[in-house]
Amino acid sequence: QKEVEQDPGPLSVPEGAIVSLNCTYSNSAFQYFMWYRQYSRKGPELLMYTYSSGNKEDGRFTAQVDKSSKYISLFIRDSQPSDSATYLCAMSAQGGSEKLVFGKGTKLTVNP
Amino acid sequence: DAEITQSPRHKITETGRQVTLACHQTWNHNNMFWYRQDLGHGLRLIHYSYGVQDTNKGEVSDGYSVSRSNTEDLPLTLESAASSQTSVYFCASSESTGLSGYTFGSGTRLTVV
Repeated sequence: QKEVEQDPGPLSVPEGAIVSLNCTYSNSAFQYFMWYRQYSRKGPELLMYTYSSGNKEDGRFTAQVDKSSKYISLFIRDSQPSDSATYLCAMSAQGGSEKLVFGKGTKLTVNP
Repeated sequence: DAEITQSPRHKITETGRQVTLACHQTWNHNNMFWYRQDLGHGLRLIHYSYGVQDTNKGEVSDGYSVSRSNTEDLPLTLESAASSQTSVYFCASSESTGLSGYTFGSGTRLTVV
């Protein structure tokens, strides 16, 4: 079993839709959870960062962590065409600056 | 502004040649990482460093080497390029403490023919 599993999609939604992106993991030591956004032919950029369980909101984006289920989610409200990108989850046991384990990424297209 | 730069952006090389990809950061980050990204595999860690003179192997380190002689640079060398090493390579850096995540470069697209 892979340490981090992420549905690669692709996922296509109309503009304004609520998008849900998810990852599951197997290593119970993971405590630091991140979401990165990667536009085509660019490097990933940090979007959201959470520690342990709970929710974190930043504008239209909400990150949720359920450590009991080993499941993390990223919600995008009122999705925009500019949100079209690949979203990668990442996690670590020792902190966001230490070696991260990445999911394979989910490709999202938001259609105008 | 601080940044992390990779060079070259694109490179084509022949099988068997030695190739070095450059990564330079001005964030003064102690931690630096090299990943390759391939369709169906996502980002896979090649090598990483937590400071000057420190280097560690990642999950796909065979055929690659790095050296860290200063804080700013972590060059990645392919000792004898193989077609299986055709990929997009990303360098990243991070603070040694704090919840900062990684800052990635823009990538180097390497083709081995």
